[in-house]
Amino acid sequence: DVKVTQSSRYLVKRTGEKVFLECVQDMDHENMFWYRQDPGLGLRLIYFSYDVKMKEKGDIPEGYSVSREKKERFSLILESASTNQTSMYLCASTGLSDRAYQETQYFGPGTRLLVL
Amino acid sequence: AQKVTQAQTEISVVEKEDVTLDCVYETRDTTYYLFWYKQPPSGELVFLIRRNSFDEQNEISGRYSWNFQKSTSSFNFTITASQVVDSAVYFCALKPIASTSYGKLTFGQGTILTVHP
Repeated sequence: DVKVTQSSRYLVKRTGEKVFLECVQDMDHENMFWYRQDPGLGLRLIYFSYDVKMKEKGDIPEGYSVSREKKERFSLILESASTNQTSMYLCASTGLSDRAYQETQYFGPGTRLLVL
Repeated sequence: AQKVTQAQTEISVVEKEDVTLDCVYETRDTTYYLFWYKQPPSGELVFLIRRNSFDEQNEISGRYSWNFQKSTSSFNFTITASQVVDSAVYFCALKPIASTSYGKLTFGQGTILTVHP
């Protein structure tokens, strides 16, 4: 089974803090994604990475950065957290190594972030 | 650009009722995949089904069935004899098959399904 884990289920941070959200997958997947989920807006893509040290902006990258130093790990960074970044953050991965998986994204359990 | 619309924001049914969740999409790509995901209260998105644009055959899996109609750009999801455990948020999504897409998905807004005992 594909396993995607996220470092925290719940986080509470203060405005202006630097926040790190970690995501790890154990299936040697090339592609990894960060989404945020807000009521009525569905999931929106923040950033994705198709290889180590490679990254591409998604639809809403402002206020975020990412890091992919190792294939299995993809980090989302909020440089200076703001209250409008309070949201549910979901990580996903998909790979090329297994035809059955390469077209399907598998998701982690999500991190609910509250910025005060 | 792609767009996925789930017009039903919330649906409430009583157990054992059948329920259909609508999904309409827009894309300029001629080849693409469509997906349904379920998000239970625990938060994790669970993959339910993937269909490609070449295959318009309907699919049934237990109490779940999917109706893909390319002519109307719709990919609807029906739960037969609903159960309380079906209560969740359901997302429809689309992905172009082009290799440069890197697997990026476009999601609908989600439909909250509540099944009452």
